[in-house]
Amino acid sequence: AQSVSQHNHHVILSEAASLELGCNYSYGGTVNLFWYVQYPGQHLQLLLKYFSGDPLVKGIKGFEAEFIKSKFSFNLRKPSVQWSDTAEYFCAVNGGATNKLIFGTGTLLAVQP
Amino acid sequence: DTAVSQTPKYLVTQMGNDKSIKCEQNLGHDTMYWYKQDSKKFLKIMFSYNNKELIINETVPNRFSPKSPDKAHLNLHINSLELGDSAVYFCASSHLATNYGYTFGSGTRLTVV
Repeated sequence: AQSVSQHNHHVILSEAASLELGCNYSYGGTVNLFWYVQYPGQHLQLLLKYFSGDPLVKGIKGFEAEFIKSKFSFNLRKPSVQWSDTAEYFCAVNGGATNKLIFGTGTLLAVQP
Repeated sequence: DTAVSQTPKYLVTQMGNDKSIKCEQNLGHDTMYWYKQDSKKFLKIMFSYNNKELIINETVPNRFSPKSPDKAHLNLHINSLELGDSAVYFCASSHLATNYGYTFGSGTRLTVV
């Protein structure tokens, strides 16, 4: 069965610090990988996705993620965070005929000005 | 011009009542989903319909009944509401074959008192 693990539940950073959020997945077949962001009180928005090709994918707002197949990981990075990046970040994976999207438990990022 | 719209945005009701949440998408997607986000922000898929056909039915109490009159609409009816049903319910849509990720609605915050 598919599963997603996000080991950082709560991350606190100062502005301009670098960010890396961990994501590991478990799935027996070909997967598609996603990072979503949920700003306070809002819906989920897609940050970036990986289907195939270059394992380093770039998304919106300066975020990027690297797919490392041997480690079953898809970590999210940003070189310099801003206060406006304060949000909940969800890693997700899907695959198979039903396209079911499985989410990790989320990481709450708080950026202090 | 909202892509995925849910109504109502907020719903406060008493235990034992029956309520419905509506969802509509204008993206031309063929698949729609209902997710439940609990107080710890965990997102769990409940149902999915592809072209009006139920394709995902997770372990959900049968008090929850989805209905899809056409591929642009997916409604969720909940009978005999319980305190534990309090959560944010998100509707989403996607195109099953291309799998470019889900587009989420803004959510319905259900509070059962």
